[in-house]
Amino acid sequence: QQQVKQSPQSLIVQKGGISIINCAYENTAFDYFPWYQQFPGKGPALLIAIRPDVSEKKEGRFTISFNKSAKQFSLHIMDSQPGDSATYFCAAPSAGSARQLTFGSGTQLTVLP
Amino acid sequence: SAVISQKPSRDICQRGTSLTIQCQVDSQVTMMFWYRQQPGQSLTLIATANQGSEATYESGFVIDKFPISRPNLTFSTLTVSNMSPEDSSIYLCSVAQGIAVGYTFGSGTRLTVV
Repeated sequence: QQQVKQSPQSLIVQKGGISIINCAYENTAFDYFPWYQQFPGKGPALLIAIRPDVSEKKEGRFTISFNKSAKQFSLHIMDSQPGDSATYFCAAPSAGSARQLTFGSGTQLTVLP
Repeated sequence: SAVISQKPSRDICQRGTSLTIQCQVDSQVTMMFWYRQQPGQSLTLIATANQGSEATYESGFVIDKFPISRPNLTFSTLTVSNMSPEDSSIYLCSVAQGIAVGYTFGSGTRLTVV
């Protein structure tokens, strides 16, 4: 069964700084690695996802870096803003055929003004 | 991406009763999932809702406790049966529209069992 290890559990950065969250996975049936952002009282919202025919994907201030040989991927938030304060989850497809996602344990990000 | 309407958004229920959560999608989707998110925790998959057949449950979840219906490609329900305080969680419906679009979540149902 797929396991996804996410770190750190919590992260505090100053406004304008770089936030980095890391995830490692075991096995996957297909290559699709999303990051979700969740605000209190809301469902997770897809932030950015990568299909590893590339090693990096950038959307605005958010970048996913992917290392397939190491089975690791990370989220970088550049110029972090207080509005980025939320819980971030990485996910990876389960190893079976049913195409479910297995989620990391989450990182609570706080960006100080 | 698909728009998901999940009802109710929250409820407070008595121990021993059942609650049915509805998930309505604005377009036909092949794959629908139900997740549970306990307070301050990550998302755990309960089951995959299969259209026209029984749901596929993950380890630790059983049909008698979490019966699921999926009568068509846009709608599903999850029932939390014979509830206890340990069932207090957020329950989330999710759909997958293929890798290009990704997996979308509803806003969740916050359930409190007293």
